[in-house]
Amino acid sequence: AQSVTQLGSHVSVSEGALVLLRCNYSSSVPPYLFWYVQYPNQGLQLLLKYTSAATLVKGINGFEAEFKKSETSFHLTKPSAHMSDAAEYFCAVSDFGLTGGGNKLTFGTGTQLKVEL
Amino acid sequence: KAGVTQTPRYLIKTRGQQVTLSCSPISGHRSVSWYQQTPGQGLQFLFEYFSETQRNKGNFPGRFSGRQFSNSRSEMNVSTLELGDSALYLCASSPDRASYEQYFGPGTRLTVT
Repeated sequence: AQSVTQLGSHVSVSEGALVLLRCNYSSSVPPYLFWYVQYPNQGLQLLLKYTSAATLVKGINGFEAEFKKSETSFHLTKPSAHMSDAAEYFCAVSDFGLTGGGNKLTFGTGTQLKVEL
Repeated sequence: KAGVTQTPRYLIKTRGQQVTLSCSPISGHRSVSWYQQTPGQGLQFLFEYFSETQRNKGNFPGRFSGRQFSNSRSEMNVSTLELGDSALYLCASSPDRASYEQYFGPGTRLTVT
């Protein structure tokens, strides 16, 4: 079974500081990985995706993530945090690459990002 | 293009009742998946529908069921509601089963009292 682990349920950074949210995956096949963001009382918005085309993936709102097979990691970064980045972030792996495929996503437990002045 | 819509947005039910939630996917999308989000269990996959057929099911009791119509709209039903069913229910759509990207709706917040 595929899984993702997010280290740190809460992360706090100062405005303008580097954002680093950690995600490690477990998969028996080359994984399809995603980062989603959730603002209060809203659904999930796709930030970026890894589908084996390039190891450094750029997403929306200045976020990017690097796929490192040797470390089984897919950490999310942003060079300079903004107050509007405060939200919950979820890492997910898709069943898409498995035999039989499908769109089932398995999510990590989420990381709440707080941005302070 | 309009996004995924879910109705109702908020719902309050009593234990033992049943509830039906609705999801309209993005126009042209044929795959619809449902997820339950709770503080304790996080985001969990309920089921996936494509071409009116359930293609995958998560580890939930039989009280949770769903269906998909010919226009790709989907409903999920929960019977004999329990307090633990209180959650945000999210619907996601995708063009088909060969498209890995999913687009989520705003969710239905179900409160069971």
